[in-house]
Amino acid sequence: DVKVTQSSRYLVKRTGEKVFLECVQDMDHENMFWYRQDPGLGLRLIYFSYDVKMKEKGDIPEGYSVSREKKERFSLILESASTNQTSMYLCASSLDGAYGYTFGSGTRLTVV
Amino acid sequence: AQKVTQAQTEISVVEKEDVTLDCVYETRDTTYYLFWYKQPPSGELVFLIRRNSFDEQNEISGRYSWNFQKSTSSFNFTITASQVVDSAVYFCALRGDAGGTSYGKLTFGQGTILTVHP
Repeated sequence: DVKVTQSSRYLVKRTGEKVFLECVQDMDHENMFWYRQDPGLGLRLIYFSYDVKMKEKGDIPEGYSVSREKKERFSLILESASTNQTSMYLCASSLDGAYGYTFGSGTRLTVV
Repeated sequence: AQKVTQAQTEISVVEKEDVTLDCVYETRDTTYYLFWYKQPPSGELVFLIRRNSFDEQNEISGRYSWNFQKSTSSFNFTITASQVVDSAVYFCALRGDAGGTSYGKLTFGQGTILTVHP
């Protein structure tokens, strides 16, 4: 089974801090994605990557950046954390989008 | 643009009741894929089903069944004889296939919180 691992289950950070959320997948998938999940809004795509060093903005990229130096690792970066970035962050990978995604367990980030 | 609407924010049922979760979608693509995911309290989204736009056959898997109707752009999910373990958030999602350049980008609905009481 494909496994997608997110490094932290819960994080608490202060406003203005630079925050790194890490995601690793173990099945050589080309495509990786970062979503945030908020009540009543579902999952919204922040960024995705279809190859090493390649990235594309999703629907809500403002305040975020990403890094993909190796195929298996996709990092989400909050340049200067703000309270409105308090959310659940979900990473996913996919070999071929037609077959859907495999998700990590999520990181619940609280910015105080 | 693609859109998925799950109009039911929350549903509460008693065990053994049948429950249907609604999903309506919008897309201009002629080829597309529809998905349902389950998110239990643990947080990880679990894949339940994929359906492509050319396959309108309904599907049954144990207590789960899915009704895909292109004419109404709907892909509804029914749980028969619900159980407490079915309590979760359920998401419907859509992936278009416009020229194959979308890299598998999924558009999700808002999610439906299902609570099954003993």
